[in-house]
Amino acid sequence: GAVVSQHPSRVICKSGTSVKIECRSLDFQATTMFWYRQFPKQSLMLMATSNEGSKATYEQGVEKDKFLINHASLTLSTLTVTSAHPEDSSFYICSARSDRGLGNEQFFGPGTRLTVL
Amino acid sequence: QKEVEQDPGPLSVPEGAIVSLNCTYSNSAFQYFMWYRQYSRKGPELLMYTYSSGNKEDGRFTAQVDKSSKYISLFIRDSQPSDSATYLCAMSRGMYSGGGADGLTFGKGTHLIIQP
Repeated sequence: GAVVSQHPSRVICKSGTSVKIECRSLDFQATTMFWYRQFPKQSLMLMATSNEGSKATYEQGVEKDKFLINHASLTLSTLTVTSAHPEDSSFYICSARSDRGLGNEQFFGPGTRLTVL
Repeated sequence: QKEVEQDPGPLSVPEGAIVSLNCTYSNSAFQYFMWYRQYSRKGPELLMYTYSSGNKEDGRFTAQVDKSSKYISLFIRDSQPSDSATYLCAMSRGMYSGGGADGLTFGKGTHLIIQP
């Protein structure tokens, strides 16, 4: 089956620093990748949708200058949390989808736990 | 009112029982409905996908959608301890429509425990 990886799985950083999270589709080309965030006891919430080679589309309330998304290749998307603060501490999870032969299923990565001190 | 409502549980049932999991939604623009299973510290795994009202069966799993009532269900027959996980309902307005319409709106997830 299609596999999506995320790196790192867990990161702890100081307030004010930037953190980059990678999302990779290992055995298929992902034309679209999605980034979600989950706070404790809350639903997974869509942050942004990115299509390879174009700018990401952000959901209402998500600051595009704070959460930088780059989808430069068909197998890699990155989410950079700039100037992270404690309120950015959350579980970040990506999904990847291919429109070429795999139907329209979104395959999820295992997630990244971000803790900002 | 949240767009998607799902009872977080926990729901505990004995092995072999039929499990019923449900979600309600408020946005009639949702057209595609999915059920995901998530084990601890893992990403969600797609179980069922449907886009029309009615029933869809796959092995021990049956997904049911009632668009008129904005209500979806997942039934698990002959439940096993290995079915113990968090079950997430999810839905989207679009599919390959571009932009955020294809993104999923999730329920909170129901924590299911199957007792041996």
